[in-house]
Amino acid sequence: ETVMTQSPATLSVSPGERATLSCRASQSVSSGLAWYQQKPGQAPRLLIYGASTRATDAPARFSGSGSGTEFTLTISSVQSEDFAAYYCHQYNKWPLTFGGGTKVEIK
Amino acid sequence: EVQLLESVGGLGQPGGSLRLSCAASGFTFTNYAVGWVRQAPGKGLEWVSSISRSGDGTAYADSVKGRFTVSRDNSDNTVYLQMNSLRVEDTAVYYCATKIPGAHFEYWGQGTLVTVSS
Repeated sequence: ETVMTQSPATLSVSPGERATLSCRASQSVSSGLAWYQQKPGQAPRLLIYGASTRATDAPARFSGSGSGTEFTLTISSVQSEDFAAYYCHQYNKWPLTFGGGTKVEIK
Repeated sequence: EVQLLESVGGLGQPGGSLRLSCAASGFTFTNYAVGWVRQAPGKGLEWVSSISRSGDGTAYADSVKGRFTVSRDNSDNTVYLQMNSLRVEDTAVYYCATKIPGAHFEYWGQGTLVTVSS
């Protein structure tokens, strides 16, 4: 099984600041990596797929990078609506796996 | 508008059974595989099962293999998750989601809570 490790578990940022979230895979998943945003009581929402392709309705302040085992989600300027949990997900290898999540909270 | 609507999950007893359904609309159903992902209270996301576009290919997480069965009815745009031999640790919100074959989960349902308790 490909273990996905996200860091940090919690990230405290002020509105307008840059936020950088990390995701590491226990083996190479090539570019088979997606990022999801989840707010309390809501379903996950796709932000990034293919490691760096922004989903249709994802704001431009969200960007993804990386390949192989190291991936990054960057929020260039955090807005109030961005405070949420973020999950990385690899779909390159079976079984499909998710990271444990990073909670972005208000500083 | 893409919509995925899960049935009400409900309460099941340990060792019992429940069946979830996921009704799809707003897109060409047979263009997508479908997966089930669950989230235990206060925890992260866990993939449970996936089914191919035609329904002839299925996959399961080890935690549910042999107990859960996924199926689909393409004439009715619906996917089912039959959950047998339920365990307390199956308690979670269950989401269905469309999946481009070999790729990511794209559209998600609103989720349905399954509680397993005696």
